[in-house]
Amino acid sequence: GDSVTQMEGPVTLSEEAFLTINCTYTATGYPSLFWYVQYPGEGLQLLLKATKADDKGSNKGFEATYRKETTSFHLEKGSVQVSDSAVYFCALKNSGGSNYKLTFGKGTLLTVNP
Amino acid sequence: DAGVIQSPRHEVTEMGQEVTLRCKPISGHNSLFWYRQTMMRGLELLIYFNNNVPIDDSGMPEDRFSAKMPNASFSTLKIQPSEPRDSAVYFCASSLGGGEGQPQHFGDGTRLSIL
Repeated sequence: GDSVTQMEGPVTLSEEAFLTINCTYTATGYPSLFWYVQYPGEGLQLLLKATKADDKGSNKGFEATYRKETTSFHLEKGSVQVSDSAVYFCALKNSGGSNYKLTFGKGTLLTVNP
Repeated sequence: DAGVIQSPRHEVTEMGQEVTLRCKPISGHNSLFWYRQTMMRGLELLIYFNNNVPIDDSGMPEDRFSAKMPNASFSTLKIQPSEPRDSAVYFCASSLGGGEGQPQHFGDGTRLSIL
């Protein structure tokens, strides 16, 4: 079945540091890929998405590129802020009969210190 | 724009009591999802509705759980009787269609504690 593997956290960075959170996936077909962010006490918010190979999703300074050859969708940000502290989830939705299903990774907790 | 609205935000009740969680999806969205989030199991899809019809309830843990969507703007998730192991955060999400490119929009969740 489909699966998503994220780097395990927690990740602790200083403000203005470079961020990478690795995400790889296993899926049949041609999935769409997503990054969601969850701030403390809140629901998941869509951060960015990519629907086909080589697409780059970007939002709020975060970027991720859909790499079919390496089945990866790594999240990057050039300069993190304290306000970026949250849990980040990589997810996929596959094509086909169950295309409504979001398969999530386990989440990566990011803490940014001033 | 109003997002997905869930109520209550927090619920604390004793084992054996009936619990009802409520969700109002984003207006115009025709797909609705209920999830459960725990530290041990992460995010689990419980049930998926499309156009108010349950399409996939394979994630509903057992007969104590039931979900309804009487109209396009309201859904409930009921647990009867509740047990301590049901303690979790329950999220409702909605989307415009269920297709692979459509993102799901989540509510802020209901934090349920069963004593």
